[in-house]
Amino acid sequence: NAGVMQNPRHLVRRRGQEARLRCSPMKGHSHVYWYRQLPEEGLKFMVYLQKENIIDESGMPKERFSAEFPKEGPSILRIQQVVRGDSAAYFCASSQPGTPTGELFFGEGSRLTVL
Amino acid sequence: KQEVTQIPAALSVPEGENLVLNCSFTDSAIYNLQWFRQDPGKGLTSLLLIQSSQREQTSGRLNASLDKSSGRSTLYIAASQPGDSATYLCAVYNNAGNMLTFGGGTRLMVKP
Repeated sequence: NAGVMQNPRHLVRRRGQEARLRCSPMKGHSHVYWYRQLPEEGLKFMVYLQKENIIDESGMPKERFSAEFPKEGPSILRIQQVVRGDSAAYFCASSQPGTPTGELFFGEGSRLTVL
Repeated sequence: KQEVTQIPAALSVPEGENLVLNCSFTDSAIYNLQWFRQDPGKGLTSLLLIQSSQREQTSGRLNASLDKSSGRSTLYIAASQPGDSATYLCAVYNNAGNMLTFGGGTRLMVKP
């Protein structure tokens, strides 16, 4: 049973380009969370999704950032027109459906560097 | 708004010591509390999950306690080893809201 899979593990973009980060949850998990960890800082919640629905995006920057979790395929975190301040590790986590009393399982993260 | 604080921010101990990491949270209306380990440049590994109705959980040399009413949790590591060197993160899942809220972590160094 594979864990949470994130790709790419490392991504380098120039300012103004787009970054797409993908997350495949654990088998049987239909809840996906995205977190951002800036250098030397803690993990900050960005968005919580279920299949085809954004449940809570209170942590997402209002501009340039979007997330989706389609019926088929991985969850995607998209950052348009990247800036140097977007350089961070982006972590995806998944949990089982139902009430949120279960564990969250995290992927290895995608490390974005903006030149 | 939930706030999670971890003390100390960094800790350096000789091998073999027993140690305690502290976590406090401001809103006691939580579903559960998780302790994670993060190695440099790596993801998060879940260590222990304590449901709000539980007082403690144990796994090997690790023991985590939860006092929900006072908003505190401790992670006890027995007989520490150099391989325990990592950042330890505490996170709570609120009754209201849809996310884990993380503390800033405790960076542990166990010296041989």
